[in-house]
Amino acid sequence: EPEVTQTPSHQVTQMGQEVILRCVPISNHLYFYWYRQILGQKVEFLVSFYNNEISEKSEIFDDQFSVERPDGSNFTLKIRSTKLEDSAMYFCATSQVTHGTGELFFGEGSRLTVL
Amino acid sequence: GNSVTQMEGPVTLSEEAFLTINCTYTATGYPSLFWYVQYPGEGLQLLLKATKADDKGSNKGFEATYRKETTSFHLEKGSVQVSDSAVYFCALSEGNDMRFGAGTRLTVKP
Repeated sequence: EPEVTQTPSHQVTQMGQEVILRCVPISNHLYFYWYRQILGQKVEFLVSFYNNEISEKSEIFDDQFSVERPDGSNFTLKIRSTKLEDSAMYFCATSQVTHGTGELFFGEGSRLTVL
Repeated sequence: GNSVTQMEGPVTLSEEAFLTINCTYTATGYPSLFWYVQYPGEGLQLLLKATKADDKGSNKGFEATYRKETTSFHLEKGSVQVSDSAVYFCALSEGNDMRFGAGTRLTVKP
């Protein structure tokens, strides 16, 4: 069964460092998303991406965050200068259609720990 | 704005007990409603969905009915198993905006 894969599964970094989280979407999916889940808290929407551009972003997704699909396969989330409060599980999700009616397929997540 | 409120956990049940996890929503239009499940160490998986009022989503013995009059989408299962132990998330989607509830952890004991 096709699946969304994310790397790394766990990354530990120092505050102020740049981090890149990678996601390989399911091959025929067109819509890509990043969500994050701070330990024990709700799953929060960060950004959606379609046709090589951001289609929507939340108030969490400030200037320190960026997304791109540099090679047509990987979908990356970059955090330029990490803060302690960025420690969370980051989930990539993809869908064939806009998820108003379709299903989101999630990766297993990348756990980011900022020290 | 759109939001989802779901029953706080944790919920602990014995095997074969009846499960209800409450979910209510606030939306400006006509959203689709979802239940996602997160098993330990895994990502979220779609459990069931309903895209319009009075629709019933069902999967693996779980059911939820989209009730517009009460703005609810409660998750039910008649007889839970140990393997149902997980975190359950209610979610609402309108256009390109999907919002999740805080999650309810379910533990089923043998």
